[in-house]
Amino acid sequence: AQSVAQPEDQVNVAEGNPLTVKCTYSVSGNPYLFWYVQYPNRGLQFLLKYITGDNLVKGSYGFEAEFNKSQTSFHLKKPSALVSDSALYFCAVRDDDRGSTLGRLYFGRGTQLTVWP
Amino acid sequence: DTEVTQTPKHLVMGMTNKKSLKCEQHMGHRAMYWYKQKAKKPPELMFVYSYEKLSINESVPSRFSPECPNSSLLNLHLHALQPEDSALYLCASSQTYISSYNEQFFGPGTRLTVL
Repeated sequence: AQSVAQPEDQVNVAEGNPLTVKCTYSVSGNPYLFWYVQYPNRGLQFLLKYITGDNLVKGSYGFEAEFNKSQTSFHLKKPSALVSDSALYFCAVRDDDRGSTLGRLYFGRGTQLTVWP
Repeated sequence: DTEVTQTPKHLVMGMTNKKSLKCEQHMGHRAMYWYKQKAKKPPELMFVYSYEKLSINESVPSRFSPECPNSSLLNLHLHALQPEDSALYLCASSQTYISSYNEQFFGPGTRLTVL
């Protein structure tokens, strides 16, 4: 069964410090992994995705994520956090298994990131 | 144009009302989605349209009725809703549904309150 785990409900970090938001996944086929960010009362904004190739993926607003197949993880990172990065972050996965779940996007429960000045 | 638009932004309705939510995209995407999202929770898939045909209905109650008039438009018709249906309703689109590597683009949502 396909699933995504975001083990932390809340991550707090000081402005200027590096941040990491964790994500692990489980799929039956090859994973396609996504990170989305949601600001209050807004829709989800796409940040980045891993499809294949280089394990380090760079995305919008200075975010990057590292795909680790052996640990089935796709952690979101940023070298220097900004107060404006404070938002709700969702990891999501789809797989290429041509079964009934093909194409469905499975979301983690979300991690609230707070960057304090 | 890389935007998904949704109207209205906010909607308050009584349990006997009939209303509709609208979604539009002009990115040439052939898959469109409706999601329901409760506060601080991940979106829950409701419906998927692929090439204007309903592909997935996640056992959504019949008081929600989707419609895809053309490849750019998606509607969600609401009738006899319950207070527990109050939520943020998100529309999304992607190039196709089957291609798993396509990201979904989300609209800003409609905040629905059922009294």
